[in-house]
Amino acid sequence: DIQMTQSPSTLSASVGDRVTITCRASQSISSWLAWYQQKPGKAPNLLIYKASNLESGVPSRFSGSGSGTEFTLTISSLQPDDFATYYCQQYSSFADFGPGTKVDIK
Amino acid sequence: QITLKESGPTLVKPTQTLTLTCTFSGFSLRNSGVGVGWIRQSPGKALEWLALIYWNDEKRYRPSLKSRLTITKDTSKNQVVLTMTNMDPVDTATYYCAHLGYVVGEYYFVNWGQGTLVTVSS
Repeated sequence: DIQMTQSPSTLSASVGDRVTITCRASQSISSWLAWYQQKPGKAPNLLIYKASNLESGVPSRFSGSGSGTEFTLTISSLQPDDFATYYCQQYSSFADFGPGTKVDIK
Repeated sequence: QITLKESGPTLVKPTQTLTLTCTFSGFSLRNSGVGVGWIRQSPGKALEWLALIYWNDEKRYRPSLKSRLTITKDTSKNQVVLTMTNMDPVDTATYYCAHLGYVVGEYYFVNWGQGTLVTVSS
């Protein structure tokens, strides 16, 4: 397995804040990385694929960057609907998810 | 509109075999490039990919669970079935099925079912 880590594990922020979540892979995964948003009791929702490609219908305040072993998900201006847990997932070799970053209200 | 829905038992006993069915609409496993995967999430924990299957019957399994998993498809019924043998309480989780990304070999998950909670307990 490729080990995925995320930081921070919890992030407290306010509406309007710029938020950045970091995801690291234990080995290079090129740009084979996806980001998901999950709300309590719901299935994950794809936000970004191939590190920086915004999935159709996802607001443009979400963006992804990085390659190799370090990646970031940025929310440019946090909205009330964005309080959730965010997961990264590598698909360079099968599929492995990160442990998640919970974004809660400050 | 793509939808997926998981079905199966909510409670299984240790050592039993779990059989889950994913019934989908809005796409067909007859079409080139289409795939479906299974992912689970233990209560309060992260997500874990289990298996996937493509239109051409290509299958992939999580290496650590490969001996316990079987994935099959019924194209005529628009269904994908996952079986997991020798269930243990640590397998208690919400099990999701999901439609794979747009390029074969790119194992990310675009559309997800609502999930089904499976509890393993005697």
